[in-house]
Amino acid sequence: AQSVTQLGSHVSVSEGALVLLRCNYSSSVPPYLFWYVQYPNQGLQLLLKYTSAATLVKGINGFEAEFKKSETSFHLTKPSAHMSDAAEYFCAVSERSNDYKLSFGAGTTVTVRA
Amino acid sequence: NAGVTQTPKFRVLKTGQSMTLLCAQDMNHEYMYWYRQDPGMGLRLIHYSVGEGTTAKGEVPDGYNVSRLKKQNFLLGLESAAPSQTSVYFCASSPSAGGYGYTFGSGTRLTVV
Repeated sequence: AQSVTQLGSHVSVSEGALVLLRCNYSSSVPPYLFWYVQYPNQGLQLLLKYTSAATLVKGINGFEAEFKKSETSFHLTKPSAHMSDAAEYFCAVSERSNDYKLSFGAGTTVTVRA
Repeated sequence: NAGVTQTPKFRVLKTGQSMTLLCAQDMNHEYMYWYRQDPGMGLRLIHYSVGEGTTAKGEVPDGYNVSRLKKQNFLLGLESAAPSQTSVYFCASSPSAGGYGYTFGSGTRLTVV
């Protein structure tokens, strides 16, 4: 069974500081991996996705994530946080054994301090 | 291009009442999904559909029913609402299986009292 774990339910960063959100998956076969962002009272918006092409994936709003097979990780980073990055972030996985349905992590809430 | 539209956006039900949540997509996507979101639990799949006329159970299907009579619409029904069904419900769609990702609606906030 596939699962995804997000380490840390809350992350607080200063404006201009590095944002690092951790995601680990458990799968014997590298799955498709996604990061979504949810702003207050809104639906989820796709930030970026890994589909077995380049291991370093660039997304919208300056975010990027690196797929590391040896660590079964797909951590999300942004070099310099902006106030508008305050939101909840979800890591998600899908793989063939589950008919490619998305399974989500519990989410990480990011707050940005001025 | 509206994407995925959910109605209503908010609803308060009394225990035992029934209701239907509507999801409509205008992207000609084959696959549609219903998730519920609860604090600290991420999103959990309730039911999904891989095409018009098909439905399948997800992770937490009990207490819900669905129908997909038209390709663009996916209905989620609660026959007898319970307080445990208080949640935010999201509909999503995708073109097919694989690495496409989903397009989400803006959600329905349901409170059962």
